[in-house]
Amino acid sequence: RKEVEQDPGPFNVPEGATVAFNCTYSNSASQSFFWYRQDCRKEPKLLMSVYSSGNEDGRFTAQLNRASQYISLLIRDSKLSDSATYLCVVRPGGYNKLIFGAGTRLAVHP
Amino acid sequence: GAGVSQSPSNKVTEKGKDVELRCDPISGHTALYWYRQRLGQGLEFLIYFQGNSAPDKSGLPSDRFSAERTGESVSTLTIQRTQQEDSAVYLCASSSGAGTETQYFGPGTRLLVL
Repeated sequence: RKEVEQDPGPFNVPEGATVAFNCTYSNSASQSFFWYRQDCRKEPKLLMSVYSSGNEDGRFTAQLNRASQYISLLIRDSKLSDSATYLCVVRPGGYNKLIFGAGTRLAVHP
Repeated sequence: GAGVSQSPSNKVTEKGKDVELRCDPISGHTALYWYRQRLGQGLEFLIYFQGNSAPDKSGLPSDRFSAERTGESVSTLTIQRTQQEDSAVYLCASSSGAGTETQYFGPGTRLLVL
């Protein structure tokens, strides 16, 4: 079983749609959680950290459920510029390395 | 300010040759990481340097892979006797310290082993 699992997609949605991505992780001792965004042939960039209480940044909302070892990302009012691969990322407890999911591809069309 | 830089941006080599990949972290960042990303896959952790501490080499896939870092600056990742399965994008990241700090990634080196 992979340490971080995501639905690979692709998710094809029209502009203005709301889309949700899910992610599960296997290490219950994981301490930190993130969503990164990766554009085609580019490096990953941090989109947002994920906190236990849930957090929002503009159109983006992240949720963490430690009991279910589940992380989600909600994007409201999708823009064409949101088209990218979204990577679910976990930092295991006691380590500084990041464990990446394989990513979920989003394509927003006019 | 300047971000993480990597060189070369692309490298094509023949099976069996050695390659060296270079990473210049953000100035002042004490932590440096190497990751590998195969086509269509997520990033795999390779190695982590933090200050003068012994590096975490737990992700290196074989003894053909090694990395060095000079103080808190440049790092080189060396792959000896390259194999076709080494073809991937090698990404370097740096952060201001250990813990929960954000990792900033370089543009990567695309390695193709023929």
